[in-house]
Amino acid sequence: NAGVTQTPKFRVLKTGQSMTLLCAQDMNHEYMYWYRQDPGMGLRLIHYSVGEGTTAKGEVPDGYNVSRLKKQNFLLGLESAAPSQTSVYFCASNRAAKGPGELFFGEGSRLTVL
Amino acid sequence: AQSVAQPEDQVNVAEGNPLTVKCTYSVSGNPYLFWYVQYPNRGLQFLLKYITGDNLVKGSYGFEAEFNKSQTSFHLKKPSALVSDSALYFCAVRLNDYKLSFGAGTTVTVRA
Repeated sequence: NAGVTQTPKFRVLKTGQSMTLLCAQDMNHEYMYWYRQDPGMGLRLIHYSVGEGTTAKGEVPDGYNVSRLKKQNFLLGLESAAPSQTSVYFCASNRAAKGPGELFFGEGSRLTVL
Repeated sequence: AQSVAQPEDQVNVAEGNPLTVKCTYSVSGNPYLFWYVQYPNRGLQFLLKYITGDNLVKGSYGFEAEFNKSQTSFHLKKPSALVSDSALYFCAVRLNDYKLSFGAGTTVTVRA
């Protein structure tokens, strides 16, 4: 039971470098999300997707881009990393019929930008 | 704006004692409310939800939550805490068909 898998789990970048985080889910879920988690701030939604080929902005989209070319994958890109993007990133998914409540989360990707 | 607040950053209890983690909400209309738990170095796990019906909702791992409309609260409870319940707990509210808003989280420490 893989569920939601995120790669890589850890990454250190220098300011200005680019990278992509990959999220894969094997539950045939329609909705997928990218959150960032920072101490004392809970989870904040970066971008989300309600189906293959569609994406939308969340609360904190600046500096990030996403793509959902296949239903099972949701990619989060940083074109020019900044120290403010140091965070733990979580991908989540759920079935459309369930609404947004019962999310399945990956184990997180810890990103440090120097 | 619709949101939830968790007024306590940390909760410390002794094993075997009751555990309560507080959450208050601010929404228009009827709220859809959720609790999640995050164990160290793991992703969040869904615990329980309130949509409608009984004000007392039962969830995973022996947890329950009480919806109180007059106090706009949705507190998470466990009658007898275990050391293994030590984790970070998040309350969340449904914003629309696609999105949740999470509280800042409450760290629970259960001492043996």
